[in-house]
Amino acid sequence: EPEVTQTPSHQVTQMGQEVILRCVPISNHLYFYWYRQILGQKVEFLVSFYNNEISEKSEIFDDQFSVERPDGSNFTLKIRSTKLEDSAMYFCASVKGFSYEQYFGPGTRLTVT
Amino acid sequence: AQTVTQSQPEMSVQEAETVTLSCTYDTSESDYYLFWYKQPPSRQMILVIRQEAYKQQNATENRFSVNFQKAAKSFSLKISDSQLGDAAMYFCAYRSAGDMRFGAGTRLTVKP
Repeated sequence: EPEVTQTPSHQVTQMGQEVILRCVPISNHLYFYWYRQILGQKVEFLVSFYNNEISEKSEIFDDQFSVERPDGSNFTLKIRSTKLEDSAMYFCASVKGFSYEQYFGPGTRLTVT
Repeated sequence: AQTVTQSQPEMSVQEAETVTLSCTYDTSESDYYLFWYKQPPSRQMILVIRQEAYKQQNATENRFSVNFQKAAKSFSLKISDSQLGDAAMYFCAYRSAGDMRFGAGTRLTVKP
């Protein structure tokens, strides 16, 4: 069964550094999402991406964040200058269409020291 | 704005018994989807069950079923014949036109 993959599974970085989290959505899916889950808290929406552009973003997704789908398969989340509070699990998700459920990747655990 | 509320931070059930997890949501939309996701210690998000708002019939998936009350905006999850492997965080989620909104989660413990 096709699945969403994410790399790396765990990323440790120093405050102020840039990180890029990578996702490979399911190949025939059209909508892509990034979510964040701070340890012990709920899953929070960051951004959605459709037709090579951002379709919606939350208040969390400020200028420090950007997304890209550079080659038609990878979907990346970049954090320009990481802060301690960016430490969280980051989930990528993809969906075939509006009426379908989102398929989540296994997540990338980001630790900012 | 759509909100999803899970009023039970923690629940406990004896193995082989039945447990119901509560979820309410707030929306002005008429067309939407509701989901329950399971998050085991690995933190993977696993879809348990989905419900389309336009369907009156409650969704079922093996030991998992929902009680969807559209007028009350309630969407509870019933787990029958609970197994040790059901122990996890359970998140209720709502999706309309775009992103998915999650509740705060309910931690389910299964006692042998």
